[in-house]
Amino acid sequence: GAVVSQHPSWVICKSGTSVKIECRSLDFQATTMFWYRQFPKQSLMLMATSNEGSKATYEQGVEKDKFLINHASLTLSTLTVTSAHPEDSSFYICSARKPGVRGYGYTFGSGTRLTVV
Amino acid sequence: QKEVEQNSGPLSVPEGAIASLNCTYSDRGSQSFFWYRQYSGKSPELIMFIYSNGDKEDGRFTAQLNKASQYVSLLIRDSQPSDSATYLCAVNMFERAKLTFGSGTQLTVLP
Repeated sequence: GAVVSQHPSWVICKSGTSVKIECRSLDFQATTMFWYRQFPKQSLMLMATSNEGSKATYEQGVEKDKFLINHASLTLSTLTVTSAHPEDSSFYICSARKPGVRGYGYTFGSGTRLTVV
Repeated sequence: QKEVEQNSGPLSVPEGAIASLNCTYSDRGSQSFFWYRQYSGKSPELIMFIYSNGDKEDGRFTAQLNKASQYVSLLIRDSQPSDSATYLCAVNMFERAKLTFGSGTQLTVLP
């Protein structure tokens, strides 16, 4: 299998604070992980591609200083939302790709619902 | 032009009918095509992927790919109320590449 664990599943934080979301590949090593954001009734928007041992690649319009991504090991990537504001409230989902498995290699975490109050 | 386009729906079909979901993509270099199902408040789950022209069947699901027309579809036979969800089409350019998602089609199967 290819299992991706994401934690926490939901978090409420105060405006101006930072929140860290973890994404772990449990039974495989993921050199690449992806972070998505989804607003209500909208599709998944890729925020960044996380590469183990190197800097993340951010999509156009995503503030790299606000959304810090660290892929320190082959099984863990973290997304930190810094100085969160209510407009950052969203559903954040990570995805990891299991190498050598075409098609079925893209597995999603269960998502994190962030609410900034 | 969006990279991946889907009819947003909503699409309603009666139980037992065939649901047909469509997706077009703009980049002719796209290689792999995916259909995900997403229930409200949940993360997407993979239904099927296809990378060769033609049909690919898996149980009640059939994916159809036509690269010349840049078109991929998903047919759901014998639709069940539990199939009611948003269906997302996604494409990528090559292995290890990011997935680009369409906006999704909301399907409702009426009992």
